[in-house]
Amino acid sequence: QVQLVQSGAEVKKPGASVKVSCKTSGYTFLSYGLNWVRQAPGQGLEWMGWVSPYNGHTYYAQNFQNRVTMTTDASTSTAYMELRSLTSDDTAVYYCARDVSKDWLDPWGQGTLVTVTS
Amino acid sequence: YELTQPPSVSVSPGQTARISCSGDVLSKKYGFWYQQKPGQAPVLVIYKDSERPSGIPERFSGSSSGTIVTLTISGVQAEDEADYYCQSTDSSGSVLFGGGTKVTVL
Repeated sequence: QVQLVQSGAEVKKPGASVKVSCKTSGYTFLSYGLNWVRQAPGQGLEWMGWVSPYNGHTYYAQNFQNRVTMTTDASTSTAYMELRSLTSDDTAVYYCARDVSKDWLDPWGQGTLVTVTS
Repeated sequence: YELTQPPSVSVSPGQTARISCSGDVLSKKYGFWYQQKPGQAPVLVIYKDSERPSGIPERFSGSSSGTIVTLTISGVQAEDEADYYCQSTDSSGSVLFGGGTKVTVL
């Protein structure tokens, strides 16, 4: 079955960077894009952007354009999301989710909690 | 949010819960629905306005009219208590989420 397994929780200081991984299995990695979505504590879902494993193309939400990088590694069927210049506002659970037909997201990874604290 | 949902809906067991999601993009684009239980990742329950993924109970259904999509849970069960998010895409391909609706089973 299709599975997305993310890396473990992270604690970072303000100004640092974090890189979250999302290892996929159960489908042809190159055939589906991957989205990244975050959820601050007690808040709703916020889309961060999308990456194509086929050609490396990316599309970032305006809120993150200047400090996020999304990449993929086809040799390990893994996607990565790096967020720089962290502040306490970036404390959130970060999810990867497979893109279906550039329309919907299914399935989702289990989430990675990133805590930014001094 | 460009997609607007009610913050909360309360329903008694066995009754019907309806959650609306409104937004101009919905007149041209499909709506999708996700269920999120506490501490868990979202799960797709409806795609393309009204299609139900395999494994999702038949009591979940979706509909669309104009700029509104609606998620209906018929015969609500205690296990349906969760947050529900609608989702669509805009003309540039950005993913849009509604603010979420907390469904409480009384």
